[in-house]
Amino acid sequence: GAGVSQSPSNKVTEKGKDVELRCDPISGHTALYWYRQSLGQGLEFLIYFQGNSAPDKSGLPSDRFSAERTGGSVSTLTIQRTQQEDSAVYLCASSFRGYLLTSGSGNTIYFGEGSWLTVV
Amino acid sequence: GIQVEQSPPDLILQEGANSTLRCNFSDSVNNLQWFHQNPWGQLINLFYIPSGTKQNGRLSATTVATERYSLLYISSSQTTDSGVYFCAVGLIFGAGTRLAVHP
Repeated sequence: GAGVSQSPSNKVTEKGKDVELRCDPISGHTALYWYRQSLGQGLEFLIYFQGNSAPDKSGLPSDRFSAERTGGSVSTLTIQRTQQEDSAVYLCASSFRGYLLTSGSGNTIYFGEGSWLTVV
Repeated sequence: GIQVEQSPPDLILQEGANSTLRCNFSDSVNNLQWFHQNPWGQLINLFYIPSGTKQNGRLSATTVATERYSLLYISSSQTTDSGVYFCAVGLIFGAGTRLAVHP
């Protein structure tokens, strides 16, 4: 597609429920990234995919968080047993090449508009 | 892990003024990017600049990799420049500089 697409754009869920957030990267981009941004804060790195594998998932805050990517394209971030502190904007980004592979402008990262998650 | 520090944390300008934002990082890099987050939350990539200097209109950026810093210059600022400017080194983002440009 023309840009990184995320869904849902907004989600309100009850504490303890599971949620799935979807990211559709720019067509042809091999690398995909998930970040979290709490209100008024900076970006917290969650996980990075190169193709379908995740060379770096060091940022996942707990075992309630998981992510997968299939077909080298769409990715899903799943949060199980949501807690109020999970409320944030979840941002997905993609780049033509992954930053671990090489330098060069192919690593330029493009962000989606985010999925706003509210846990009540 | 790598540390990314941005300064100043907040900046208020009158329209037409110039400014310089700084990003210091703790380790050598081959991947440094500057982003602008507008008041509606959208993140826009401004520059991919692991070294050297680039210019795009009123914005320019310089990275001195050997000294581990990067600078973002905004000239003749406009109200539409308001928002938060982030520096990202590899996968790690700095805390940002919040810029408000007043008419």
